[in-house]
This record gives sequence, structure tokens and C-alpha cells, in this order.
Amino acid sequence: RKEVEQDPGPFNVPEGATVAFNCTYSNSASQSFFWYRQDCRKEPKLLMSVYSSGNEDGRFTAQLNRASQYISLLIRDSKLSDSATYLCVGASEGSARQLTFGSGTQLTVLP
Amino acid sequence: EAGVAQSPRYKIIEKRQSVAFWCNPISGHATLYWYQQILGQGPKLLIQFQNNGVVDDSQLPKDRFSAERLKGVDSTLKIQPAKLEDSAVYLCASSLDRAEAFFGQGTRLTVV
Repeated sequence: RKEVEQDPGPFNVPEGATVAFNCTYSNSASQSFFWYRQDCRKEPKLLMSVYSSGNEDGRFTAQLNRASQYISLLIRDSKLSDSATYLCVGASEGSARQLTFGSGTQLTVLP
Repeated sequence: EAGVAQSPRYKIIEKRQSVAFWCNPISGHATLYWYQQILGQGPKLLIQFQNNGVVDDSQLPKDRFSAERLKGVDSTLKIQPAKLEDSAVYLCASSLDRAEAFFGQGTRLTVV
């Protein structure tokens, strides 16, 4: 079983739609979580961190449920520019943080 | 601020040949990662350095892959000999302590 699992999609949604991505993790050593965004043929870039209390950044909301080992990302009012692959990432604690990536969920926002 | 630099951007080699990739992390970043990303998959960690020491190389195919980070700054990743299944994008990333990891643009390797 992979340490971080995501629904690969693809998700095709119309502009303005709300879309949610889910991610589960199996490694209890993962203490911190992130969502990275990767555009086609580009490098991954940090989108946002994920906290147990939930956090919001504009149209993006991330949530962590440690009891269920589940992470989510909600995108409201989707824009064409949101089209990308969204990578769920677990990080171990310690001075040398180790990052484990999921396989990514592909999103296409349609006009 | 300069980002993570990688070279070359693209490389095409025949199977059984050797290839080397170079990475220059962001100045001052102690942690350096090499990831392999096969098309349609997420990045897979090959090796992680903390300064010039190896933190994790459990997924590095050591019979053909090697990496070093001399003086705790630049790093090179080598494949010798290459196989067809090594075709992928090789991503280098660096981070400062426990902060965000910044990625380079990657080296796209095609083994024919």
C-alpha cells in the first residue's frame, strides 16, 4: 500500500464549480501535510499547508483529519487557471524533513 | 532570489550509457532532495541529503544510481548504466530547515 494515496482523476469541471480532492495516508510518521500544485511539464510548487484546524487561502480550503488519516482540498469558484495536477504530500518531523508525495489528482477546468 | 538550478534540461541517451545530472540548490538550504517522476505519477524520493550527509537513500537503486553532495552545496546524480525504465523527469529540490521545499525545473531523461 502506498504511503499517500490520491484519486488520480481526471476531474473535469466547469468554471465556477466547487471541486474537492481527497487523500489518505498510512504512515503515522507523517506529521505535517501539504498540497502542492504541478502545472503540465513544470515543477511542483507549494499551494498550501494543511492543519488539523483547517485552513483557508482565498478560494482554497484544506483540512486534515488525523483520526481518519485523511486530507482534503476544496476549491471554490474554479478558474481556468486552476487546471493542474494537485499533489498531496506527507512530511515526517525531525530536523531533516522527509516528504512523501501522492500520485497526484489531475484537474481540468472547462470554459 | 535565485531558485534551484538544474542542468541539463533535456537528455536523450541509449540504454546502457551513462548520464549525470547537476543541481545547485538555493543558497543556504541545508536539505537537498532528488526525486524521480515518471509520467503520470507523483515524485518518488531517490535520495535526501542534509548538508553533505545522506538522510535517506532507501529507494535509490544503488546498483546503477549514485549521488553525491560535496561540500554540502551542489549535488550530482549519476545513472550508470541506464535502462529504458529510467526515462523520467529528475527533480532536485531544496529546503531550509523544516520549511517549504523548492523544486528546480527538472531534467527530462529519455532512454532509447
